[in-house]
Amino acid sequence: DQQVKQNSPSLSVQEGRISILNCDYTNSMFDYFLWYKKYPAEGPTFLISISSIKDKNEDGRFTVFLNKSAKHLSLHIVPSQPGDSAVYFCAASGETSGSRLTFGEGTQLTVNP
Amino acid sequence: GAVVSQHPSRVICKSGTSVKIECRSLDFQATTMFWYRQFPKQSLMLMATSNEGSKATYEQGVEKDKFLINHASLTLSTLTVTSAHPEDSSFYICSASTTGMGSPLHFGNGTRLTVT
Repeated sequence: DQQVKQNSPSLSVQEGRISILNCDYTNSMFDYFLWYKKYPAEGPTFLISISSIKDKNEDGRFTVFLNKSAKHLSLHIVPSQPGDSAVYFCAASGETSGSRLTFGEGTQLTVNP
Repeated sequence: GAVVSQHPSRVICKSGTSVKIECRSLDFQATTMFWYRQFPKQSLMLMATSNEGSKATYEQGVEKDKFLINHASLTLSTLTVTSAHPEDSSFYICSASTTGMGSPLHFGNGTRLTVT
């Protein structure tokens, strides 16, 4: 039972344009969401997070949007840079799970120069 | 920022042998550490949660006698894959938490285990 889903295994964008990565979840108990970036043979690196009491959180080029009614969140990267090319994982946590995270399958982002 | 060190980064072992992977929090005390496993092009699957000084909590389907976890101090947790088999070949990643619910986890760089 995949409670966090990233339906796009890959995404390719041009440098300077916007990258939009999507994530859906099914468990209504999730109330904290995170995005991680991962390079091959390395551990994930935390990018940005959002609490369920908000619908938007912005940090530099990265913005996360949360639509609780649709159980959907997205990560926007603008402008995209070639160094952003990596696998992006969406993760969720609920009040009963502490820091225990449930991850999506990941989306491979490729930013072309 | 918080650093989690995982060692070794890569290990090749023969079938039937045991392998120990270490996870250390270098500049903070980690009351909770998590062990994940990732197969190629798949998500990170939580294997177990370990709290310092107590027994680890294993996820459903994870054999606790095969994947031994020890969290003896606030800065060190170890995962031992006992009697390894080729199907145990995977990428193992640890993470550590500094505070309670919602804190971003800090991850180690992972260990690529290959069992021949």
